[in-house]
Amino acid sequence: AQKVTQAQTEISVVEKEDVTLDCVYETRDTTYYLFWYKQPPSGELVFLIRRNSFDEQNEISGRYSWNFQKSTSSFNFTITASQVVDSAVYFCALSEAQGGSEKLVFGKGMKLTVNP
Amino acid sequence: DTGVSQDPRHKITKRGQNVTFRCDPISEHNRLYWYRQTLGQGPEFLTYFQNEAQLEKSRLLSDRFSAERPKGSFSTLEIQRTEQGDSAMYLCAAARGRQGAEAFFGQGTRLTVV
Repeated sequence: AQKVTQAQTEISVVEKEDVTLDCVYETRDTTYYLFWYKQPPSGELVFLIRRNSFDEQNEISGRYSWNFQKSTSSFNFTITASQVVDSAVYFCALSEAQGGSEKLVFGKGMKLTVNP
Repeated sequence: DTGVSQDPRHKITKRGQNVTFRCDPISEHNRLYWYRQTLGQGPEFLTYFQNEAQLEKSRLLSDRFSAERPKGSFSTLEIQRTEQGDSAMYLCAAARGRQGAEAFFGQGTRLTVV
C-alpha cells in the first residue's frame, strides 16, 4: 500500500533562512513518481517538482532543491533564502505506475510560515 | 492559472439536499481526478477518469456519490442526500496521458452542509 509521511506539521522561519521539508514514503511498486505541491491560502494546489523512481539525481531549480534517496525512502525539499510569499502548506505526494490511474497519495502537509 | 476550472467555488447546502460540482480541464488533459480535502489533511483520492471512462473509484466514494465525464471533456461530481460529514473541499485535477505527468489542480469547491 502507498503511504506518505510528513512528520513535521508546522515550521516557522524568518525571511532569508533556508528550510527543508521532510517526506518519507512507502510503496511496493518499482516504478513510481514523487511530487511536491504547494497550497497557498487561496487553496489551489500548485505543482512544484516531480521525480521518478529511476532518477535519484538531485537537482536545484531556482530557490528549490530536492534530495531523493531510495535507500531511506525519502524525498526532502529545500527552499533556499525563504521569502514571505513561500508561506503555504506544502504537500509531498506519491503515485504508482502500476494500476494505471497514477492517483496521488498525499501526506498530511506541512504549514510553512515565513516571517519578515 | 492551471487551466482547470471548478464551479462553484463555494456551496452551502442543507443536509439531505443534492449538490453537483463541475470541473473543466484543459482539453489535452485526458486524465481527470476528483479528490476530497478536509481541514488539516492532504487531499484524498475519490475517482479517476481516462477520457470518458471512469476507471477507478475509491472506497471513500459511497453510493451517494456519482461522477461523470461525458465526451471526455468536463466532469461533474454529484452528491445525493448530503450529510454533514460531506463538508470538505472537493478538488479536481487533470493530467496529460504520458506516464508520470504532473497533475494540475483547480481551485476547488468548498462544500458546507448545514
